Amino acid sequence: KQEVTQIPAALSVPEGENLVLNCSFTDSAIYNLQWFRQDPGKGLTSLLLIQSSQREQTSGRLNASLDKSSGRSTLYIAASQPGDSATYLCAVYSSASKIIFGSGTRLSIRP
Amino acid sequence: DTGVSQDPRHKITKRGQNVTFRCDPISEHNRLYWYRQTLGQGPEFLTYFQNEAQLEKSRLLSDRFSAERPKGSFSTLEIQRTEQGDSAMYLCASQFGGARDTEAFFGQGTRLTVV
Repeated sequence: KQEVTQIPAALSVPEGENLVLNCSFTDSAIYNLQWFRQDPGKGLTSLLLIQSSQREQTSGRLNASLDKSSGRSTLYIAASQPGDSATYLCAVYSSASKIIFGSGTRLSIRP
Repeated sequence: DTGVSQDPRHKITKRGQNVTFRCDPISEHNRLYWYRQTLGQGPEFLTYFQNEAQLEKSRLLSDRFSAERPKGSFSTLEIQRTEQGDSAMYLCASQFGGARDTEAFFGQGTRLTVV
């Protein structure tokens, strides 16, 4: 059974810092891994999708990496801004045709 | 096509009432998922459809819950005899299935409050 874990559950950093969010999964037989952002009370906003054959994806100040063999992904946010404050969710497209989510990391950027 | 659409966006109901939510997927997306998200948690898988066939249901989907996708297009999720524990965000996603490396797109969700 695929399980997805995100550490830390919450993170608070001052504005301008670079930061890394972590995601681990138990079954390496995945198809995609996707990072989402969720603002309070809102739906999911897709940030980056990494296909199983890829190692990383970049979009602006965001970079996501994927290491299937070790069951890990990281989301790197450069030069953080207060507007980056949100919950970040990692989702794994498992071999069982389901998308499994972690519990998220709640990020707060202090001005 | 403007993406996955969910209706209503918010629903407040009294305990014991029945509620129904609708999801309109992206055109030609043959796979449709339902998820439930409670406060502070990630979305949890409820069920998914390949065209009109419901291929898997989570154990979270008690007998008070039923989902349909009658013509392989839009889907409905009905909750009968709602309980306070049903209060959550219900999310729908669609995907062009067959190939498993296609991206799934999520709607904005329906927030249910049972009072």
